[in-house]
Amino acid sequence: NAGVMQNPRHLVRRRGQEARLRCSPMKGHSHVYWYRQLPEEGLKFMVYLQKENIIDESGMPKERFSAEFPKEGPSILRIQQVVRGDSAAYFCASSFHPGSWETQYFGPGTRLLVL
Amino acid sequence: KNEVEQSPQNLTAQEGEFITINCSYSVGISALHWLQQHPGGGIVSLFMLSSGKKKHGRLIATINIQEKHSSLHITASHPRDSAVYICAVSTYGGSQGNLIFGKGTKLSVKP
Repeated sequence: NAGVMQNPRHLVRRRGQEARLRCSPMKGHSHVYWYRQLPEEGLKFMVYLQKENIIDESGMPKERFSAEFPKEGPSILRIQQVVRGDSAAYFCASSFHPGSWETQYFGPGTRLLVL
Repeated sequence: KNEVEQSPQNLTAQEGEFITINCSYSVGISALHWLQQHPGGGIVSLFMLSSGKKKHGRLIATINIQEKHSSLHITASHPRDSAVYICAVSTYGGSQGNLIFGKGTKLSVKP
């Protein structure tokens, strides 16, 4: 059973470009969470999705950021018109049941560098 | 004040020492998680607990709900235990999914 997969592992973008980060949860998991880790800071929750639904996006910046988890395929975190402050590690996690009462399994992360 | 506080921020130990990392929180929680972030950046979930104590190999996690405090202990520490250890809580109300994280404790175990 493969773990949580994220790609790309490293992504370099110039200011103003778009970044697309993909996350494939563990087999059988329908709950996906995205977290951001800014340099020298702790992890911060961004968004929680269940298949085809956004459950909680309270941690998402109001502009330029969006997330989806379609019926088929990976979850996508999309950042439009990237700025240098978006440079961070973005982690995805998944669980079979909602994460309050179950372990979340983390992917290896995508390191985004905005030049 | 952060909702989840960890101490110490940095910890250096000699191989074989007993290590304790502390976590205090100020919100009502449904569960507390201990995570390990490797030097390469990957994150592994070590424990999830809502009461009492859990043990896995040389790692022990305890939680005191009344005092809103948890500890992670490592017995017979080894250089391969060097990592950042992160405490996180999941809370009642609102989304059931998101976690609130401490800033982490960077552990370095010297041979």
